[in-house]
Amino acid sequence: DTAVSQTPKYLVTQMGNDKSIKCEQNLGHDTMYWYKQDSKKFLKIMFSYNNKELIINETVPNRFSPKSPDKAHLNLHINSLELGDSAVYFCASSQNWGVGEKLFFGSGTQLSVL
Amino acid sequence: DAKTTQPNSMESNEEEPVHLPCNHSTISGTDYIHWYRQLPSQGPEYVIHGLTSNVNNRMASLAIAEDRKSSTLILHRATLRDAAVYYCILRGNYGGSQGNLIFGKGTKLSVKP
Repeated sequence: DTAVSQTPKYLVTQMGNDKSIKCEQNLGHDTMYWYKQDSKKFLKIMFSYNNKELIINETVPNRFSPKSPDKAHLNLHINSLELGDSAVYFCASSQNWGVGEKLFFGSGTQLSVL
Repeated sequence: DAKTTQPNSMESNEEEPVHLPCNHSTISGTDYIHWYRQLPSQGPEYVIHGLTSNVNNRMASLAIAEDRKSSTLILHRATLRDAAVYYCILRGNYGGSQGNLIFGKGTKLSVKP
């Protein structure tokens, strides 16, 4: 049983397309996150959700829209894909928003925009 | 942001202990010290975290200086599987991170057979 699962694992698409990445956690956690890791391997926080509510949007373009239908899911929809969106996207979850909580990460979705 | 400073890379021999240092001289009283690692082609993985006291778990030990301005992650017996990038991260409610887990460059650990 994978604790935090993301689909798809690989996503290859053309510029201008719209795509979604799904994330599910079966840990019963309240808080979920999206991170982006670029080609230089820097991991950057994109969004934080707590109890389905957006807490943090780290200056991510409006083309990125997270959606949390319930506490176990946080999906990432990307409109009008650009070359610079190519990266590995990681979903994560934690029990709650506390700064002493540990995060559990998914295995990532490698997005390639051609 | 309270930032951390880590060596870019370190090498270790298999089955020997590894001490990964981290400096965080601007740490605030409520910042937790978290360690994560990322194996090649995988997502980050939690290793250990602490606030003031030293911590031990099945993966590693965390030694925190008395003034909390530095910490050391200790892998007691390195294996080839421990080769990864290790991130030392301060997580607190104040400052630019707003409670988020903000990753730096980390230390790339190589383990030689």
